[in-house]
Amino acid sequence: GESVGLHLPTLSVQEGDNSIINCAYSNSASDYFIWYKQESGKGPQFIIDIRSNMDKRQGQRVTVLLNKTVKHLSLQIAATQPGDSAVYFCAETMGGGSQGNLIFGKGTKLSVKP
Amino acid sequence: DVKVTQSSRYLVKRTGEKVFLECVQDMDHENMFWYRQDPGLGLRLIYFSYDVKMKEKGDIPEGYSVSREKKERFSLILESASTNQTSMYLCASRSGAGGFEQFFGPGTRLTVL
Repeated sequence: GESVGLHLPTLSVQEGDNSIINCAYSNSASDYFIWYKQESGKGPQFIIDIRSNMDKRQGQRVTVLLNKTVKHLSLQIAATQPGDSAVYFCAETMGGGSQGNLIFGKGTKLSVKP
Repeated sequence: DVKVTQSSRYLVKRTGEKVFLECVQDMDHENMFWYRQDPGLGLRLIYFSYDVKMKEKGDIPEGYSVSREKKERFSLILESASTNQTSMYLCASRSGAGGFEQFFGPGTRLTVL
């Protein structure tokens, strides 16, 4: 029979609040990480990246935190807006060649309540 | 801006048909990728290519093949479509000159009846 997919983790926040989306990555040798945003009906779009020699990086309204000790990545969105509603994926990679390919997390669905 | 385009947004095919999904990028990227995306399973890599006429299997290549005759174009082929290949197919490209960010197309939602 047809398999049933797993439900995505969902985060629901009020407009204007801060959002924190978490990701546990799999490989301690990974040295580069990306967050992607995927709106309904569209392909994933780059948000922000971070290298393993950093533990924090800030962009416009977004901050990525990296904790290599526990292999954890988080994306913080300040003053969340309705346009932030999307599925967010983290991705990791170990470097060049085929190891430069990205390994994607399952994603978290962010819903912003007006 | 990098632009990755896919030939169709929606496609409906019948079991056993041969299906071609086309992807074109306009930034002279060396690397191109095909993924499928299913609810709760994330993005799974089907095939990738580092150069013209070069291809490598990803994590789930069974039932698929690819073609890269020109640098800007990467085609995914379903030799004999089956219902379990109903999915969203995403193409991506990446520069070979440092950086690991992949740029994605809008996706093709394929339904196999």
